[in-house]
Amino acid sequence: DTEVTQTPKHLVMGMTNKKSLKCEQHMGHRAMYWYKQKAKKPPELMFVYSYEKLSINESVPSRFSPECPNSSLLNLHLHALQPEDSALYLCASSQDITYEQYFGPGTRLTVT
Amino acid sequence: AQKITQTQPGMFVQEKEAVTLDCTYDTSDQSYGLFWYKQPSSGEMIFLIYQGSYDEQNATEGRYSLNFQKARKSANLVISASQLGDSAMYFCAMRERINTGNQFYFGTGTSLTVIP
Repeated sequence: DTEVTQTPKHLVMGMTNKKSLKCEQHMGHRAMYWYKQKAKKPPELMFVYSYEKLSINESVPSRFSPECPNSSLLNLHLHALQPEDSALYLCASSQDITYEQYFGPGTRLTVT
Repeated sequence: AQKITQTQPGMFVQEKEAVTLDCTYDTSDQSYGLFWYKQPSSGEMIFLIYQGSYDEQNATEGRYSLNFQKARKSANLVISASQLGDSAMYFCAMRERINTGNQFYFGTGTSLTVIP
C-alpha cells in the first residue's frame, strides 16, 4: 500500500481566514513533505519532517505553519494568505529522507 | 546553475514506440539519488524509478529504464512501448546531501504526448 491521503481536495478561502490542510500515511514512513505547485511548474519544496522533527524549512512565509502531530500525520496551517498562494499543495512521504517519495493527490487551494 | 535540467518542454511519440526523456544534473556530492516522477493532468505525482549514485547497473521498472551516465551527469528516462496512458508531465528530481541535511530539486518537466 503506497497511499498518501490529503484533505480537503479543494479549498477556497479568503485572505483573513484560517484553515488547515491535512495529510496522512500509514506506510510507516518516517519522512513527510509539503510542496507547493503552481500550474505548469515543478513542485517547490516547502517543509520536510524527518522522524517528526522539522528538517528543512525553505524560508517559507510565516503565514504557512507546518505541524507533525505524529509519524503518520502532517498538517499545514494557513493564515492570512495572499492570492498568489493559490496553488496545488502536495504532501509526500518516504521511508526515510533518502528514499523515493510517494505523493498524495493534493489540495487545490484558491485564495480570494 | 540549475541543479536539474530538462531541455525538452514537450515531446511526442507514436503509440508502441520507445521514447527518451532527457535529464542532466549538477552536484558535487558523491552520494545522491535521482528520481523520475509522472504527473498526469489529474495532478497526482507518481513515482516511477530511482537510481542511486553508487548503483552500477541502470535501474529498470517494467517499461521504464533509467540511462545513467555518471561521468556526463545525465539520467535519461526511457519508456518502451509507449501507451496512451503515458501522456503526462514527467519530472526528473535529485536528492543531494548538504551541510544541514538533504536537499531536493525538481526539473522543469517534459510534457509527453502519445499519439495513437
